[in-house]
Amino acid sequence: ETGVTQTPRHLVMGMTNKKSLKCEQHLGHNAMYWYKQSAKKPLELMFVYNFKEQTENNSVPSRFSPECPNSSHLFLHLHTLQPEDSALYLCAAGGHGYGYTFGSGTRLTVV
Amino acid sequence: GIQVEQSPPDLILQEGANSTLRCNFSDSVNNLQWFHQNPWGQLINLFYIPSGTKQNGRLSATTVATERYSLLYISSSQTTDSGVYFCAVYGGSNYKLTFGKGTLLTVNP
Repeated sequence: ETGVTQTPRHLVMGMTNKKSLKCEQHLGHNAMYWYKQSAKKPLELMFVYNFKEQTENNSVPSRFSPECPNSSHLFLHLHTLQPEDSALYLCAAGGHGYGYTFGSGTRLTVV
Repeated sequence: GIQVEQSPPDLILQEGANSTLRCNFSDSVNNLQWFHQNPWGQLINLFYIPSGTKQNGRLSATTVATERYSLLYISSSQTTDSGVYFCAVYGGSNYKLTFGKGTLLTVNP
């Protein structure tokens, strides 16, 4: 499915770097989400935005900062990350009655 | 919160075999989805199935919401079916998808 686009696909960053992940949806859904998938762990919900308003912050450290400027775009700003933050970060868009559609993910490595 | 349990955790098949994956959930849900995660990490939506039965080619799914379970059937499996299959449910009034731990399927040629 190509309704949700994530960039970049891969990212390597140092612990002192600042980078951003981008997600764009073309489905017209009301809600967008960030999920984290670490090796051998279940998918973890990080943030939920409904109609551009953050409605869920699942106890995520402040070194992860989401931004939702409009209903089609979602960013995840990263700064001073730790090696244990290395994971696959997945964006999804969803609407009532339509289910969730996921992007291809950004595989992040923190060195 | 809602608990989602998937079984079996791992499954190894020979090409051409059939299989059934199960998803149990602990509370009433608004909706349920089955996903396939490919080796590159992408989650592909297979079925959006809050209740009833759906079929798509060699795959079909059945959800019995009153008994809090869903089944995913894979017939005539192919090596490209390998990967992790996730069941995920919505509960309550928030748009919040809760995932099971997945079933790792390996189809050998």
